Amino acid sequence: DIQLTQSPSSLSASVGDRVTITCRPSQSISNYLIWYQQIPGKAPKLLIYAASTLQSGVPSRFSGSGSGTDYTLTISSLEPEDFATYFCHQSFHTPYTFGQGTKLEIK
Amino acid sequence: QLQLQESGPRLVRPSETLSLTCSVSGGSIISTNSYWGWIRQSPGKGLEWIGSIYYSGDTYYTPSLKSRVTMSVDTSKSQFSLRLTSVTAADTAVYYCARLVHDYPDYWGQGTLVTVSS
Repeated sequence: DIQLTQSPSSLSASVGDRVTITCRPSQSISNYLIWYQQIPGKAPKLLIYAASTLQSGVPSRFSGSGSGTDYTLTISSLEPEDFATYFCHQSFHTPYTFGQGTKLEIK
Repeated sequence: QLQLQESGPRLVRPSETLSLTCSVSGGSIISTNSYWGWIRQSPGKGLEWIGSIYYSGDTYYTPSLKSRVTMSVDTSKSQFSLRLTSVTAADTAVYYCARLVHDYPDYWGQGTLVTVSS
């Protein structure tokens, strides 16, 4: 199975900050990398697919980049509604797997 | 707007069978571009892919659960279902149904917590 390692596991930041979350697959996944946001008690929400394509309706402060075995999610300027948990996911090779999550908290 | 809604028992006894149904509305379950999937989330194991099904009935199950999982689809009711046999406490989780495009979920149900306990 492809393991996805996210870092950091938690992060404290302030409104207006720029934050970056990293996802490292245990092998190359050819940009089959997806990012989700999850608010407690809610289902995950699709943010980015194919490593860097913004899902329709997602604010442009979210961006994704990377290739091979190194991917990042960046939020350029945090808004209050962005404090949530973020997961990466690979759809390159079955069984499809998820990262363990990065919890973004208000400083 | 596509909507998915899980339904089924919230409490299952150990060794018994977990059964959930996902009802799809606001769009067709008969789509050449979509699969339909089940994912679960528990504090101990995080998000875990269970499997997927096409409207024709073709299925994929994750190997670690394959011996206990069965998925089915009822296009006349716009529903698809999950059965997980011989459950233990380790199967306690929030179960989500989802639409899959290019093998990843884009629309999710709200999730339902299923507890395995006697």
